[in-house]
Amino acid sequence: SAVISQKPSRDICQRGTSLTIQCQVDSQVTMMFWYRQQPGQSLTLIATANQGSEATYESGFVIDKFPISRPNLTFSTLTVSNMSPEDSSIYLCSVEENSEETQYFGPGTRLLVL
Amino acid sequence: EDKVVQSPLSLVVHEGDTVTLNCSYEVTNFRSLLWYKQEKKAPTFLFMLTSSGIEKKSGRLSSILDKKELFSILNITATQTGDSAIYLCAVVDGTASKLTFGTGTRLQVTL
Repeated sequence: SAVISQKPSRDICQRGTSLTIQCQVDSQVTMMFWYRQQPGQSLTLIATANQGSEATYESGFVIDKFPISRPNLTFSTLTVSNMSPEDSSIYLCSVEENSEETQYFGPGTRLLVL
Repeated sequence: EDKVVQSPLSLVVHEGDTVTLNCSYEVTNFRSLLWYKQEKKAPTFLFMLTSSGIEKKSGRLSSILDKKELFSILNITATQTGDSAIYLCAVVDGTASKLTFGTGTRLQVTL
């Protein structure tokens, strides 16, 4: 399976600031996704990162709060904007490889907003 | 809206016990069901199930899907402390490759 890396691994941020999380894959993949896992909760899909076009957001998530870029088939970024303590979560990117129907996850970014 | 329910929510067993984790689902356009193990941050893939009645097996772990009754089970035999984790079940929507996750089962294996 593809090797996925995320940066940063963790961060502590002040409310009102923004943080950009990077997701890098070692091979070209068609589908990339961003998930959030709030404390004690399961994973919730934020959006599908589309190469060359705007991301597709799930209900409850908007581009102004979570802008996403996907400049090529191996890289994507998620920005958490104007952060509040409620944004404290683990953020995970995942990929669906071209030849498989299984999603693999990156190592995650643990974000704490004070 | 797609829905996944896992049970039990948490479970404490002794090393060597056998456990069965349950996952039931409702999905408009079913493509597959996935099981993951989450120990720290990243879920690691265990199984993908697409057909009813065909058991997938990996070491002490096995899983099976019933598409008629809309559920899956994950079995772990001869549990070890390293099996302690949250086990997540997710269904894949066939139209958009979206995963809908259940709340997970937190398994603790004690000595």
